[in-house]
Amino acid sequence: GQQVMQIPQYQHVQEGEDFTTYCNSSTTLSNIQWYKQRPGGHPVFLIQLVKSGEVKKQKRLTFQFGEAKKNSSLHITATQTTDVGTYFCAGPRRTDSWGKLQFGAGTQVVVTP
Amino acid sequence: NAGVTQTPKFQVLKTGQSMTLQCAQDMNHEYMSWYRQDPGMGLRLIHYSVGAGITDQGEVPNGYNVSRSTTEDFPLRLLSAAPSQTSVYFCASSNDASGSYEQYFGPGTRLTVT
Repeated sequence: GQQVMQIPQYQHVQEGEDFTTYCNSSTTLSNIQWYKQRPGGHPVFLIQLVKSGEVKKQKRLTFQFGEAKKNSSLHITATQTTDVGTYFCAGPRRTDSWGKLQFGAGTQVVVTP
Repeated sequence: NAGVTQTPKFQVLKTGQSMTLQCAQDMNHEYMSWYRQDPGMGLRLIHYSVGAGITDQGEVPNGYNVSRSTTEDFPLRLLSAAPSQTSVYFCASSNDASGSYEQYFGPGTRLTVT
């Protein structure tokens, strides 16, 4: 079964609100990557986190990698309609090469104006 | 650079037919992967390659074959199509660029098996 879990599966947000999506792995990951897929499109890389406890920001997006390297979160502030899409986390197991990723099922974000 | 290209964009097959989904990248990336995407399941790895001549199975390899004779190409073969293989298929490539293994995805192939 899926070893990388994401919650929530769906997120309805009013424009201007903040929200957080979470990613949890049953195994330790070497790194965590986040991707965004717009409706009808293909996944596009957002960021990679490598170090335990690492936090990175991209404008209104804040990404965090857990201390045990088994969980991660994506926090979006002041949501905009351009944030619509599905957000995936992915990572290689510690025993796998870094090019072999396990993806979560994604969080589908719908923004209400 | 074209990046990662996939053909065809759409395909309808009948049960039992075989076909090859094409994937090519022009970025000289070592790693290439095939994923299938089904509603609510995210992206599941089918097969994976770390370089020409080297392939490995992902989590859902049954019913699919791959080979990697060149760095650029990584075709996915469906041996005998089944309705359970109806899905969107994405090919991706990546490389170690300053420690980042960012995956570049192709536009996808939407496959329907009737």
